[in-house]
Amino acid sequence: DTEVTQTPKHLVMGMTNKKSLKCEQHMGHRAMYWYKQKAKKPPELMFVYSYEKLSINESVPSRFSPECPNSSLLNLHLHALQPEDSALYLCASSQESGGGVYGYTFGSGTRLTVV
Amino acid sequence: AQTVTQSQPEMSVQEAETVTLSCTYDTSENNYYLFWYKQPPSRQMILVIRQEAYKQQNATENRFSVNFQKAAKSFSLKISDSQLGDTAMYFCAFMNGFYNQGGKLIFGQGTELSVKP
Repeated sequence: DTEVTQTPKHLVMGMTNKKSLKCEQHMGHRAMYWYKQKAKKPPELMFVYSYEKLSINESVPSRFSPECPNSSLLNLHLHALQPEDSALYLCASSQESGGGVYGYTFGSGTRLTVV
Repeated sequence: AQTVTQSQPEMSVQEAETVTLSCTYDTSENNYYLFWYKQPPSRQMILVIRQEAYKQQNATENRFSVNFQKAAKSFSLKISDSQLGDTAMYFCAFMNGFYNQGGKLIFGQGTELSVKP
């Protein structure tokens, strides 16, 4: 299995809702990442988990809450989002923190719309 | 801080022709990695090619090759025999080779490539 699987593919939520994005990989990668991407812009790093511990938080608002229950799974819990949070949320993994020469493997993303 | 610059927001090429996408970067480090990622309309970010800074030889993957000029801090991507499926946004990316830097992949602004029939 050489994939990073993200669910759901599309999500529409109201500003008072609570929802979660899920990311799963079975490649034995020990680092996982959340990125946010606006249309026609590069991805922006949000969080890095290394060996199931949060190692980087890029000053992301607390309405985004990451969780890494085990080495294969990464969640992003969403609460009280704003319309400007509408974006493509990408999950990625790498063999080790730092990615090394192999770079990241990305999922196909969750398209989030906040109404 | 490291930066990555792609100076061509959009490019187009005829099918079967060759196109070169430009990328420059700025770093004071000597150990790092460079990547080209492709993002088609399907949204999936796909690794096209990678280069280790300490290797002199330019990386090649089938129709994709790079021209890595370390002194000039330039890392261009050449696509030969362009195909319609090459239509995508292409991102150049930099990663520091030292793991204590946290594994941050730094992206350029992207070049939107259209391959025309």
